[in-house]
Amino acid sequence: GQQVMQIPQYQHVQEGEDFTTYCNSSTTLSNIQWYKQRPGGHPVFLIQLVKSGEVKKQKRLTFQFGEAKKNSSLHITATQTTDVGTYFCAGDNYGQNFVFGPGTRLSVLP
Amino acid sequence: EPEVTQTPSHQVTQMGQEVILHCVPISNHLYFYWYRQILGQKVEFLVSFYNNEISEKSEIFDDQFSVERPDGSNFTLKIRSTKLEDSAMYFCASKGGRAWNEQFFGPGTRLTVL
Repeated sequence: GQQVMQIPQYQHVQEGEDFTTYCNSSTTLSNIQWYKQRPGGHPVFLIQLVKSGEVKKQKRLTFQFGEAKKNSSLHITATQTTDVGTYFCAGDNYGQNFVFGPGTRLSVLP
Repeated sequence: EPEVTQTPSHQVTQMGQEVILHCVPISNHLYFYWYRQILGQKVEFLVSFYNNEISEKSEIFDDQFSVERPDGSNFTLKIRSTKLEDSAMYFCASKGGRAWNEQFFGPGTRLTVL
């Protein structure tokens, strides 16, 4: 079945440093979504990417979808303590449900 | 802003007992989901529900699990005979009519099986 992997599993950064998490799928995706889960909270939708090579920005967050639609990345510029949480990608391979990656847990040291 | 609600927030049960977890999806949404998340691990898909029937289910969603939409608002997950390994956070999610809409997650129900 479809597998979605993410690296790194954990990332500790100093406030102000950049952060990137990478997502890879074993199959071609129709689209990919990114979610953020704060400690003790529930996943909150961040963005959806649909087109091959698509790049979207939300303030300090930049999301990319690979040309082959099998990989994606999330980059945060100049991290802040409010960025703390686990970032999940979720891939849809033309079905009606999404397969979540294991997540990257981000810690930001003030 | 509309939101998905779930009750109870925490359920403690004895192994072998039946539990029902309740969800009220966003009112005009058409697709409903249950996920579970074992502490510190990834979010795992259990089941999706559309047009009053299950559209997809994972290997986790075996005969011990069932879902219902008994009326126009509630969406329930039943575990017939709970096992210790069912202890997890269970999230309900819903999304609108378009295939690629974002999913809105509820706050979750923490299930503890003793």
